[in-house]
Amino acid sequence: SAVISQKPSRDICQRGTSLTIQCQVDSQVTMMFWYRQQPGQSLTLIATANQGSEATYESGFVIDKFPISRPNLTFSTLTVSNMSPEDSSIYLCSGQTGVTEAFFGQGTRLTVV
Amino acid sequence: QKEVEQNSGPLSVPEGAIASLNCTYSDRVSQSFFWYRQYSGKSPELIMSIYSNGDKEDGRFTAQLNKASQYVSLLIRDSQPSDSATYLCAVSLGSSNTGKLIFGQGTTLQVKP
Repeated sequence: SAVISQKPSRDICQRGTSLTIQCQVDSQVTMMFWYRQQPGQSLTLIATANQGSEATYESGFVIDKFPISRPNLTFSTLTVSNMSPEDSSIYLCSGQTGVTEAFFGQGTRLTVV
Repeated sequence: QKEVEQNSGPLSVPEGAIASLNCTYSDRVSQSFFWYRQYSGKSPELIMSIYSNGDKEDGRFTAQLNKASQYVSLLIRDSQPSDSATYLCAVSLGSSNTGKLIFGQGTTLQVKP
């Protein structure tokens, strides 16, 4: 089955800065998504990363705060911009092909100080 | 607002017992349902998918789906301490398996030796 490599695995960042998280899949996937998991909470969908076009954001998430790129079928990035302590979460990407269920990268544990 | 509801637990069972985890969902259009297991500090791992009413068995795991009642459950037979984790119920938005998931809040399972 396909594997997603996500990096960094963790980071501690200063407020007001930005962090870019990368996900690389070892095979082409149809769909890629980004989720946030706040401390002690479940996963919340941030956006669908569309290949070659702008991402589709869920309610409560905006492009200026969470710009997403997906230049091809195996790679996507999520940037967390102008960070505040409230952005401290685990960020996860997922991928799915037409014949598989969604699978996840290892996650990025972000702490904003 | 499409929702997925789970009892957050913790659900505590003795080793060797059957653990029963339950989930309800609000979107009648949904046709694809999943159970993910998440160990502390790790990303979610798919353990079961179910698309049709009835039971689906895979080893010690049985998923049950009742679309009329909008209810999904997971049974774990012969529970082991290694099954101790958070179990996330997920529902694919829309009428097909797009990989775009809404998650319940998760049920924490504790299996005591």
